Amino acid sequence: QVQLVQSGAEVKKPGASVKVSCRASGYTFTGYYMHWVRQAPGQGLEWMGWINPNSAGTNYAQKFQGRVTMTRDTSISTAYMELSRLTSDDTAVYYCAKGAHITAADYWGQGTLVTVSS
Amino acid sequence: EIVLTQSPATLSLSPGERATLSCRASQSVSSYLAWYQQKPGQAPRLLIYDASNRATGIPTRFSGSGSGTDFTLTISSLEPEDFAVYYCQQRSIWPPLFTFGPGTKVDIK
Repeated sequence: QVQLVQSGAEVKKPGASVKVSCRASGYTFTGYYMHWVRQAPGQGLEWMGWINPNSAGTNYAQKFQGRVTMTRDTSISTAYMELSRLTSDDTAVYYCAKGAHITAADYWGQGTLVTVSS
Repeated sequence: EIVLTQSPATLSLSPGERATLSCRASQSVSSYLAWYQQKPGQAPRLLIYDASNRATGIPTRFSGSGSGTDFTLTISSLEPEDFAVYYCQQRSIWPPLFTFGPGTKVDIK
């Protein structure tokens, strides 16, 4: 069965960077885009971007351009999302989600809470 | 950038009632629209993709319709487990970017 297992919760200081991992299993990792979505406490879903694990090509939401980097390691079926220059507004649960049908995401990780606090 | 608007923000209904949720796009997204359900403390779950196709394992009481700029998610008869927040999400044709709507909360009346 498809599983996306994310790394554990992080606490970071303002100005720091965070790197979240997402290990995929149960499907061909290189066959589907991986999306990253975040959700601030009590707020809605915010799409950050995707990576094509086959080509390593990426596409980021304009809001995160210059601050986010999505990478992958196909040898261990793992995708990564790194966000730099963190502020308190980046406190959120970060999800990875497997792309499906081009237009959606059908399997989601359990989420990783990133807390930014001085 | 395409903006999605969902209405109403909150829908208060009783089990067994029909729920009709709306999602409107600021410009045409063709049929590139999906719906998700999210319960507290859980990751979102894909319900509908390409506007009207149910995802694997989704009960038939969930249906999606629409194209262009106006879309609807209908839950024909609410079950207790359906009370949750529902998000629509679009994929722009080019560049292929996603956007989520602000969500509609379906709560128990």
